[in-house]
Amino acid sequence: GAGVSQTPSNKVTEKGKYVELRCDPISGHTALYWYRQSLGQGPEFLIYFQGTGAADDSGLPNDRFFAVRPEGSVSTLKIQRTERGDSAVYLCASSFPGDTQYFGPGTRLTVL
Amino acid sequence: DAKTTQPPSMDCAEGRAANLPCNHSTISGNEYVYWYRQIHSQGPQYIIHGLKNNETNEMASLIITEDRKSSTLILPHATLRDTAVYYCIVRANSGYALNFGKGTSLLVTP
Repeated sequence: GAGVSQTPSNKVTEKGKYVELRCDPISGHTALYWYRQSLGQGPEFLIYFQGTGAADDSGLPNDRFFAVRPEGSVSTLKIQRTERGDSAVYLCASSFPGDTQYFGPGTRLTVL
Repeated sequence: DAKTTQPPSMDCAEGRAANLPCNHSTISGNEYVYWYRQIHSQGPQYIIHGLKNNETNEMASLIITEDRKSSTLILPHATLRDTAVYYCIVRANSGYALNFGKGTSLLVTP
């Protein structure tokens, strides 16, 4: 079946701009996760959704980062006033609650 | 969740078994050992997980020591396409965030 999909695959933006990154989870998966991976590092947890609600957003680095999942399926990660340090690969994963997480291909964000 | 320790890099000849070690000496009774890998420029790929018993699937085998303080991922016949960073992660099933660490960069050579 279809895996996790993420769009766009690449996003280049200028410092100070607003960006939205989209994640389409595996059908039926109620849990959704966002991670961020900087060059040479492993992925780092950002936020976890169970259904429509953010159950844990403790990994979001600051209040410029926000994520939503209004209908319990697709999720959007929103970054305001982007900074060069936000450049990274943003990964999305989904699962049944407590079960194995399956990852999408990621969105590579470059802030110039 | 417990912390894991992995060697930063390993080499393996194509066709030979690749044995990737992981230490997790502070693992708790309800924590599973998960293995993921990440091929360059792709998202992490789930390989296998286990609690106490050894596990095998079409990709790999997972051997967990009796005291559960360490484990080994075995790729029985490594191919060039197995070149990737391999992450050993410990997580309770009631938990959710995966703590990836830096993993082991495996290079399979012809």
